[in-house]
Amino acid sequence: ELKVEQNPLFLSMQEGKNYTIYCNYSTTSDRLYWYRQDPGKSLESLFVLLSNGAVKQEGRLMASLDTKARLSTLHITAAVHDLSATYFCAVVETSGSRLTFGEGTQLTVNP
Amino acid sequence: DTEVTQTPKHLVMGMTNKKSLKCEQHMGHRAMYWYKQKAKKPPELMFVYSYEKLSINESVPSRFSPECPNSSLLNLHLHALQPEDSALYLCASSQGPTGGWETQYFGPGTRLLVL
Repeated sequence: ELKVEQNPLFLSMQEGKNYTIYCNYSTTSDRLYWYRQDPGKSLESLFVLLSNGAVKQEGRLMASLDTKARLSTLHITAAVHDLSATYFCAVVETSGSRLTFGEGTQLTVNP
Repeated sequence: DTEVTQTPKHLVMGMTNKKSLKCEQHMGHRAMYWYKQKAKKPPELMFVYSYEKLSINESVPSRFSPECPNSSLLNLHLHALQPEDSALYLCASSQGPTGGWETQYFGPGTRLLVL
């Protein structure tokens, strides 16, 4: 059974600071997704990472994938309040078809 | 256009009621999904339709009954629900035949309260 672990689960940071969210998964996969969810809202697709070494950046967020380590990171640069949300990573195992989500990281950016 | 729409946005129902949730997409996607999400938890997969046929049922109780009338529409019929079924119900769609390999686009959700 595929397990996806995120850490930290809660992250409170100051504006202007940098931080990284980690996503580990337990079986082989070469496709990993990052989603953002604002309170009471739906999930917004941020990144899809397709292969080992993939790196994608959008604004202050940068995501990377290391399939050998079964690890993805979501790096936040110079955080701003608008980034406050819950961030989920989600993985499809190589032989499967289901999207398995991590528990989510609740990010709060304080002024 | 990457929009998935869901109606209603909010629903309050009693345990003896019958209601339906509706989901629609016009992106030509051939896979559609229902998820259930409790507060501060990740979405949990309930059902997957692929080419209008039910391909995955994650052992969901029969009080939830999905229906896919055509490639653009997905319904979730609700009957005799329990208070613990209160949650945000999310619909998603994706392009591929199995859906698992393509980005899933989520609708805004229906917030359901069962009294």
